[in-house]
Amino acid sequence: EVQLLESGGGLVQPGGSRRLSCAASGFTFISYAMTWVRQAPGKGLEWVSAISGGGGISTYYAESVRGRFTISRDNSDNILYLQMNSLRAEDTAIYYCAKKGSNWAYDFWGQGILVTVSS
Amino acid sequence: QSVLTQPPSVSAAPGQKVTISCSGSSSSIGINFVSWYQQLPGTAPRLLIYDNNKRPSGIPDRFSGSKSGTSATLGITGLQTGDEADYYCGTWDSGLSAGVFGGGTKLTVL
Repeated sequence: EVQLLESGGGLVQPGGSRRLSCAASGFTFISYAMTWVRQAPGKGLEWVSAISGGGGISTYYAESVRGRFTISRDNSDNILYLQMNSLRAEDTAIYYCAKKGSNWAYDFWGQGILVTVSS
Repeated sequence: QSVLTQPPSVSAAPGQKVTISCSGSSSSIGINFVSWYQQLPGTAPRLLIYDNNKRPSGIPDRFSGSKSGTSATLGITGLQTGDEADYYCGTWDSGLSAGVFGGGTKLTVL
């Protein structure tokens, strides 16, 4: 059974940093691209970032987070990360990690973790 | 402002059919596969349709997808009250080199 479990959320001051983790199990983690998607309170889904699988290191970012967020993965421990720097109030959201399936469809999602950026 | 455009809301009676549209561009839907997600209140999104029209195991055949040009459509037949949720389309935008979602459509089963 595929499981994705996010951690690392909480309250952060504007301008601060936070690292999110997503522990994956139930599939061959190294073989799959992974993605972060966020959802601001009462709003829709926003794609944030993705990292390639298969041992590659290609990374992709939404314009809204490029230069501030860094996605990475540890294929030994099956963990996906999102390092978030220079956080802004508009980064407040539930952050989901998701496994990429066929052709950039996301076939499994974590339960999400809330990040609140506020003073 | 989402890259993909969906109607904010749709509604229909139980047992009826509804369609949800998703409009994109030549660099998004025009050249990439579309997926659809269902998000029930307070839960994570769930994949409903991938590769334009394929259903993951466990998704009933009441849900269908199609794509034509730069637009895609999700169809739901035999509506049930349990189908009340937000629905999102998604794809890759090759011009942006980024994933994109629609703004979401809230389905109300009257």
